[in-house]
Amino acid sequence: QKEVEQNSGPLSVPEGAIASLNCTYSDRGSQSFFWYRQYSGKSPELIMSIYSNGDKEDGRFTAQLNKASQYVSLLIRDSQPSDSATYLCALTRVDKIIFGKGTRLHILP
Amino acid sequence: DTGVSQNPRHKITKRGQNVTFRCDPISEHNRLYWYRQTLGQGPEFLTYFQNEAQLEKSRLLSDRFSAERPKGSFSTLEIQRTEQGDSAMYLCASSLGGSVEQYFGPGTRLTVT
Repeated sequence: QKEVEQNSGPLSVPEGAIASLNCTYSDRGSQSFFWYRQYSGKSPELIMSIYSNGDKEDGRFTAQLNKASQYVSLLIRDSQPSDSATYLCALTRVDKIIFGKGTRLHILP
Repeated sequence: DTGVSQNPRHKITKRGQNVTFRCDPISEHNRLYWYRQTLGQGPEFLTYFQNEAQLEKSRLLSDRFSAERPKGSFSTLEIQRTEQGDSAMYLCASSLGGSVEQYFGPGTRLTVT
């Protein structure tokens, strides 16, 4: 079982709708979780960090963490064409970050 | 701009040649990380430094790879006798000790022909 699993997509969402991205992880000891956005040919950009169970909101983004079920999700409200990118779920293991393969999100104008 | 910088941004080299990449972290960040990313995959950890000390190396880092951070500021990653399988994006990230959040530079795209 991979440490961080994501559906590779593509996930197609109409402009203005809510995009929901999901991620599961295998190590129950993981404490810190992240969502990175990566545009094609560019490097990952940190958009959300979450450390405790529940929801964390930042603008149009909401990260959700459920440690009992070992899943992390990212909701993007009012999706815009500029949100089209690959979203990488990640967690810390000791001092390094372990990434999933990413989910490609395509916002349909 | 005081973000992480990497040079060169692109490198094309012939198989068997040596290449060296440079990373300059965010100025107050004492931790520096190297990752490698291939198409369709997430970044994979290679190694990291706290100040000038190299604290961990991945099994991915064969003996052809070496990284240094001599004065605890910039870092270099050298690949000797490059192979086609080394073609990838090499990413550098930095963080402030005590923080788990890492910030990435723009990457160096290596193509080995």
